[in-house]
Amino acid sequence: SQQGEEDPQALSIQEGENATMNCSYKTSINNLQWYRQNSGRGLVHLILIRSNEREKHSGRLRVTLDTSKKSSSLLITASRAADTASYFCATIQGGSEKLVFGKGTKLTVNP
Amino acid sequence: EAGVVQSPRYKIIEKKQPVAFWCNPISGHNTLYWYLQNLGQGPELLIRYENEEAVDDSQLPKDRFSAERLKGVDSTLKIQPAELGDSAVYLCASSPGLAGVPHEQFFGPGTRLTVL
Repeated sequence: SQQGEEDPQALSIQEGENATMNCSYKTSINNLQWYRQNSGRGLVHLILIRSNEREKHSGRLRVTLDTSKKSSSLLITASRAADTASYFCATIQGGSEKLVFGKGTKLTVNP
Repeated sequence: EAGVVQSPRYKIIEKKQPVAFWCNPISGHNTLYWYLQNLGQGPELLIRYENEEAVDDSQLPKDRFSAERLKGVDSTLKIQPAELGDSAVYLCASSPGLAGVPHEQFFGPGTRLTVL
């Protein structure tokens, strides 16, 4: 079963624009992580935000977490064609070591 | 530093045949995971190892799937016999496995299995 639900399922933007992806989850979590998967390649970890954090930055990435709404967002600023990939949120549920992934958002950045 | 290594990258077999996947995690990583990823879906955990011990295999279909990590380093995942519905990408991941410390998982490129 999958815990997270990303929204939108697919997103197409122009290079230079910002891309925002949202993730909702169902149960309490220890932390939430975002991963990227390029076509035909494995997943790459982007950023981890703990349940007691509200916002985190890494380069052009900004992640927010709202535990009261059980939701997170990933913002990619000044997007590039190389950002074209599927983006997954994944949660570690309270008391568990298990990482549970959502279905992902497929982002296309057009040159 | 070498990442997680998986082989083969692609495998095509006929149904009812056996198949095996191999994974070598990042050196020093105690925790190893096998995931299954269907097209258009996120990965789903099959089994998690802490060193050589399988600590979470609740999602592993034990009638046909088996896994081992004999020396606590590399691991194999086997399907016997394979069914059409087993066509998917099988991902291996590893992490340092430090208790109580939230950490990322490092994924291999996966093995794409096609069952005909």
